[in-house]
Parts: sequence; structure tokens; C-alpha cells
Amino acid sequence: ETGVTQTPRHLVMGMTNKKSLKCEQHLGHNAMYWYKQSAKKPLELMFVYNFKEQTENNSVPSRFSPECPNSSHLFLHLHTLQPEDSALYLCASSQVYGSGLRTDTQYFGPGTRLTVL
Amino acid sequence: AQSVTQLGSHVSVSEGALVLLRCNYSSSVPPYLFWYVQYPNQGLQLLLKYTTGATLVKGINGFEAEFKKSETSFHLTKPSAHMSDAAEYFCAVSDHRSGANSKLTFGKGITLSVRP
Repeated sequence: ETGVTQTPRHLVMGMTNKKSLKCEQHLGHNAMYWYKQSAKKPLELMFVYNFKEQTENNSVPSRFSPECPNSSHLFLHLHTLQPEDSALYLCASSQVYGSGLRTDTQYFGPGTRLTVL
Repeated sequence: AQSVTQLGSHVSVSEGALVLLRCNYSSSVPPYLFWYVQYPNQGLQLLLKYTTGATLVKGINGFEAEFKKSETSFHLTKPSAHMSDAAEYFCAVSDHRSGANSKLTFGKGITLSVRP
């Protein structure tokens, strides 16, 4: 596997279900991101992890719970979602440099298309 | 704060015609600028980026973009469109602040259609 992979590619869930999205990066990066892409709206940054530590939570509802067990893996745990949470969820990774913490190019996975019924 | 404006949601060109996708940005610091492309059912792929130096940046698939500070613009062009260029294109700006976690801010994207 190369680049950034995401599983599953498609997910349909009811409002009471619990599911998880998985992201894995094979690029040796140390920063990972979750984005939400809804139709006709700009990409929304949800969470940022640098060196496995969460550094940003962009006012995301608690029904979305991220987990980053190591710098290569990122999960998004989903619980009691709403129909408006239906979207494409994109994972990305990048290399964050120690001095100054400048973030370089982000590399994206193919996304998980989530439908909440 | 930073922002990106991509006017319009859809551009249609004929195969072989010039492609011009507009992007204007707002940033309180010298920006890093990016263009990403998204093909159907795929994630975003980097086309090109501007950090410092030469203001005309060449990317993959024959695309290029020019950073114009005076106009706060970073328009994407390609001299001759190909059917395979049909996709959604996103402009993004990074604040790359030293000592802080810089992040990308994306425009809402623009869909490019190519007519035979």
C-alpha cells in the first residue's frame, strides 16, 4: 500500500449505530487530519494530530471522536450521528517540521462516503 | 485569519481550449498557496504549490499558476484542455506560522467540465 488509505470507502449507518472510520498513511509523516466534505461547501477541517497529540478540534460535535494510536493510524469513531452528518470524510497527512512547526503539503486519502439514515 | 475565494461553481470549456480557474486569497502573512484536484470518488491530489521564489509555478498535467501579490490572486491555467481534466479543483492557502500549527484553508471548489 502506498500513500494514504481509508476504510471503508462507503458506509451506511442508522442514527443509533456506532461505527469507526480508519485511516492509514504509509508516507512516514507525523501529522494527520480529518476533514468533512459536504456538497457545495468548502472542506471543513475537523481534527489535527501532530506527533499523535490532538492539536486542533474545530468545534466538532462530541458524536465524532478521533483516536490516533500512532503517527501512521487515525480513527474517527462515530456515535448517534444525524442525517446532516452524511458527507465524504477525508483523511490527510503531512510532515510537520520541528523548528517552527511549519506544515508542508497535505496528502489525502480517497475518503469514506458516509450516509446516515 | 485567512480565506480563499473561488468565484462561480462551474466552468465549462471545449477540448483544446484555454482553462482558467480563478482564486483570490486573504492572508495576514505571506501565504503558501496550493491547487488540488479531485476526480470523482477520489481524494484530493496536489496539482501545484507556491511557497517562495518564482511566482509562476508549474504543476502536473500541464497546469500552472501565477502568484500575484498585488492582486492577491493565484489563478490556475492550462493552455489546452483535455477530457481527462474534468474534475473539481480546490484552491487553498496556508498560513505556515512559525511556532504554531499552520493549517490549510480551502475554497469551496470549482467544477471543470470539458466538452468534446
